[in-house]
Amino acid sequence: ETGVTQTPRHLVMGMTNKKSLKCEQHLGHNAMYWYKQSAKKPLELMFVYSLEERVENNSVPSRFSPECPNSSHLFLHLHTLQPEDSALYLCASSQLTGLDTGELFFGEGSRLTVL
Amino acid sequence: GNSVTQMEGPVTLSEEAFLTINCTYTATGYPSLFWYVQYPGEGLQLLLKATKADDKGSNKGFEATYRKETTSFHLEKGSVQVSDSAVYFCALSDTGGGNKLTFGTGTQLKVEL
Repeated sequence: ETGVTQTPRHLVMGMTNKKSLKCEQHLGHNAMYWYKQSAKKPLELMFVYSLEERVENNSVPSRFSPECPNSSHLFLHLHTLQPEDSALYLCASSQLTGLDTGELFFGEGSRLTVL
Repeated sequence: GNSVTQMEGPVTLSEEAFLTINCTYTATGYPSLFWYVQYPGEGLQLLLKATKADDKGSNKGFEATYRKETTSFHLEKGSVQVSDSAVYFCALSDTGGGNKLTFGTGTQLKVEL
C-alpha cells in the first residue's frame, strides 16, 4: 500500500460506545495530524505529532484521545461522544525538515456518525 | 489568529468556462498560501502553493497569485473540465512551522457538459 490509509472508512456508534480510528502512513514521514471536517466549517486541526511526540492539542475535548505508538501509526480513541462529533475525520502526514513546505498528505477519511 | 475566507459554493459551470474561486486571509507575519483539492471519496491533495508576495503557483492549468496588498489568493482556471469537479480548499501555513495549516470552509465546484 502507498500513501496514507485510514480505517474504518465509516463508523456508526452510540454515545456510550468506545471505538478507535486508525491511520497508517507508508511515506516515511515524521509528523502526523488529525483534522476534523464538518459541513460548512473550516477543517479543524485537532492534534499534531512530531517524531511521536504530541506537539499540538487544539482544545479538543477529552473524549477524543490520540495515540502515536510509532512514526507510521496514529490512532484516535473515541469514548462517550456527542452527536455534534459526527464528522469526517482526516489523518495526514508530512515530512518536517525545518524548511517546511506546508505539504500534507491526507488519507481518505473516516466518516463518523454518533447516534 | 489566522483565518481563511472562501466564497460559498457550490459553483456550477459548463465545461470550458472560466473559473475563479475567491480566497482572502488574515494572518500575522508572512504565511505561505495553498490550494488543496478533494475529489469525491478521496482525501485532500495539494494543488498549488505560493510562499511569498507576488509569487504565482500553478498546476494542472490552475493558477493563483499571492497578493499581499489585498490579502488574497484567488484560484483561476481558463477552461474547466468535468474532471475538475471537486471541493477546493484555500489554506495558509502557521509561521511557527510544523506544517500546521489553517483551512477555509472549502468551495464545491460542479462542472457540467
